[in-house]
Amino acid sequence: SQQGEEDPQALSIQEGENATMNCSYKTSINNLQWYRQNSGRGLVHLILIRSNEREKHSGRLRVTLDTSKKSSSLLITASRAADTASYFCATSDSWGKLQFGAGTQVVVTP
Amino acid sequence: KAGVTQTPRYLIKTRGQQVTLSCSPISGHRSVSWYQQTPGQGLQFLFEYFSETQRNKGNFPGRFSGRQFSNSRSEMNVSTLELGDSALYLCASSSGRLEAEAFFGQGTRLTVV
Repeated sequence: SQQGEEDPQALSIQEGENATMNCSYKTSINNLQWYRQNSGRGLVHLILIRSNEREKHSGRLRVTLDTSKKSSSLLITASRAADTASYFCATSDSWGKLQFGAGTQVVVTP
Repeated sequence: KAGVTQTPRYLIKTRGQQVTLSCSPISGHRSVSWYQQTPGQGLQFLFEYFSETQRNKGNFPGRFSGRQFSNSRSEMNVSTLELGDSALYLCASSSGRLEAEAFFGQGTRLTVV
């Protein structure tokens, strides 16, 4: 079973636009992480936000976390064609085990 | 430093056979986790090994097993393969601390025919 649910399942935008995807989860977490996967390859860690944090930035990425709603969002600003990938949220429990959502497929067209 | 290495990259096996996949973590990392990725089920956690001991386990049948060696390299074994075991198997390496970043390998694509 999966912990997180991403929304939307797929997103198509043009270069320069912003992309926003959401993740909801069910149980209490220690932290929430976002990963990117290019075309069935390995996952690349993007950003980690702790349960006591509300917002975090890394370059063009902005992540928010609302533990009361058990949800998180990932915003990619000024998207590029190279941002085309699947994006996954993963929650980490007190044991450090990661549980992934189903992912959002993002396509950025030039 | 070298990344996470998974071998082999691709594998085709027949139903009923068994398979062993290998994962070499980043030097100094003591934790290796394994995940199964399929179009239908997404990314599912299999198990995690830390310092040669299984520390976490997902909800997979006993046909899926693993081990970790003293050099932190890990192997995953699947016995009596079924068609549904066809998937991308990913391993992740980390220091093992609670909020440590996980680094993933490129995966092993297993096809069961």
